[in-house]
Amino acid sequence: NAGVTQTPKFQVLKTGQSMTLQCAQDMNHEYMSWYRQDPGMGLRLIHYSVGAGITDQGEVPNGYNVSRSTTEDFPLRLLSAAPSQTSVYFCASSYGDEQFFGPGTRLTVL
Amino acid sequence: AQSVAQPEDQVNVAEGNPLTVKCTYSVSGNPYLFWYVQYPNRGLQFLLKYITGDNLVKGSYGFEAEFNKSQTSFHLKKPSALVSDSALYFCAVRDNTGGFKTIFGAGTRLFVKA
Repeated sequence: NAGVTQTPKFQVLKTGQSMTLQCAQDMNHEYMSWYRQDPGMGLRLIHYSVGAGITDQGEVPNGYNVSRSTTEDFPLRLLSAAPSQTSVYFCASSYGDEQFFGPGTRLTVL
Repeated sequence: AQSVAQPEDQVNVAEGNPLTVKCTYSVSGNPYLFWYVQYPNRGLQFLLKYITGDNLVKGSYGFEAEFNKSQTSFHLKKPSALVSDSALYFCAVRDNTGGFKTIFGAGTRLFVKA
């Protein structure tokens, strides 16, 4: 099993550009989440999903959209990137308790 | 609303000494509590969890954590620290009301000196 995969590993955007961070898991987990990690702030939950077709907002959802059309994939969309979205983004999946994290995407918005 | 506090940004300990990383939480129902570790440039790895049962739970790499309901704490402990334990540690909480939303603390950086 590949576990949780994220692409790209690194990305630089200009303010106002849009992009999609990809996340996929091959463990047939129902639960998936997106977090951002910032120094001194820990991990903050952006959006999460409890199954295909079901998503909900986390602590910091503004500026981000998600969808869950399949169990495997949970992409995170930035519609108009802002410098405040410079961060490391982690995707995670879970069968219930323990979460399995991807390697992260380091995003810089200039 | 759920919340987690890790009061120490950094903990320093000498190799071979016991270590404690502190965590307090707030949830509306009974808590599900977790500890994760992050090594440099890596994603988080699960260490241990408390769902119900014994207040002392054991996890990976010799770590354990003590749940204290009256103090709403879930401190991470290890009897004898190793230099390789140096990493960033996160406490997390989820309530047991059926939701999946998991909230993480700000993290505590552990330095173990040889």
